Amino acid sequence: DQQVKQNSPSLSVQEGRISILNCDYTNSMFDYFLWYKKYPAEGPTFLISISSIKDKNEDGRFTVFLNKSAKHLSLHIVPSQPGDSAVYFCAASHSGNTGKLIFGQGTTLQVKP
Amino acid sequence: DGGITQSPKYLFRKEGQNVTLSCEQNLNHDAMYWYRQDPGQGLRLIYYSQIVNDFQKGDIAEGYSVSREKKESFPLTVTSAQKNPTAFYLCASSIITDPYGYTFGSGTRLTVV
Repeated sequence: DQQVKQNSPSLSVQEGRISILNCDYTNSMFDYFLWYKKYPAEGPTFLISISSIKDKNEDGRFTVFLNKSAKHLSLHIVPSQPGDSAVYFCAASHSGNTGKLIFGQGTTLQVKP
Repeated sequence: DGGITQSPKYLFRKEGQNVTLSCEQNLNHDAMYWYRQDPGQGLRLIYYSQIVNDFQKGDIAEGYSVSREKKESFPLTVTSAQKNPTAFYLCASSIITDPYGYTFGSGTRLTVV
C-alpha cells in the first residue's frame, strides 16, 4: 500500500530550465509534506517543506505547491543547475503519526549543462 | 560538530550470518529511525525509537532487531531471518518538538555474498 507515490522514476532537463517533480498521496490525514534531496552513497538532506494549511512555499530557487483536493504536490526548481542532479524524495506525515515520515519512491533528476 | 554517524559504510555478509549496523548521533535528538532503500521503492521504515529503552516496529521490521540503551545510539541487527537483506540502510534522528526535521546519516551498503 504505497501511500506516497512518485510516478516518474526519472526526469531530464536542460540547465536554466524549470524542473517539475511530482508527488501524489492517498492518505487525507497527511498534514505535513517534505522534499529531500539525495546524492549517491549519501543520506538524504532536507530541501523544503509545506504544511497542509498552505498551498505554496518558496525558498530561493525551490517552490513546493500543494493541491489538497487532488492530493498532489509538486516541487519546482527554477532555474535548474547541474548541481541539482540527484534523487528527490517526497515525504508525508500527519500529526497523529508521531513524526514518522512516509517516503515516495524517489525521482532521479538529471540537469544537463 | 554535531551529526549522525553510520558505520561501516560498506558491509558484506555471508548468508546465515547476523550483522549489526551502527548509528550514533551527538545532536541530542530524542527520536531515531532506521530506513531501508531499495531501487524503485523509496525509503521504507524498519524500526523507530522515541525514547531510551523503547522502540516500535515500522513497516518492514521482520528479520531485523534494534536496541536503544543510550540516547545517542540505535544499532540495527540484520538477522539471518531477513530473506533479502542486500540494500542501502539509512539511520535518521529528530527532536520530538520538530519530528519532521530528520537528520540522516550517510548510510551503510549491506551486501550478502
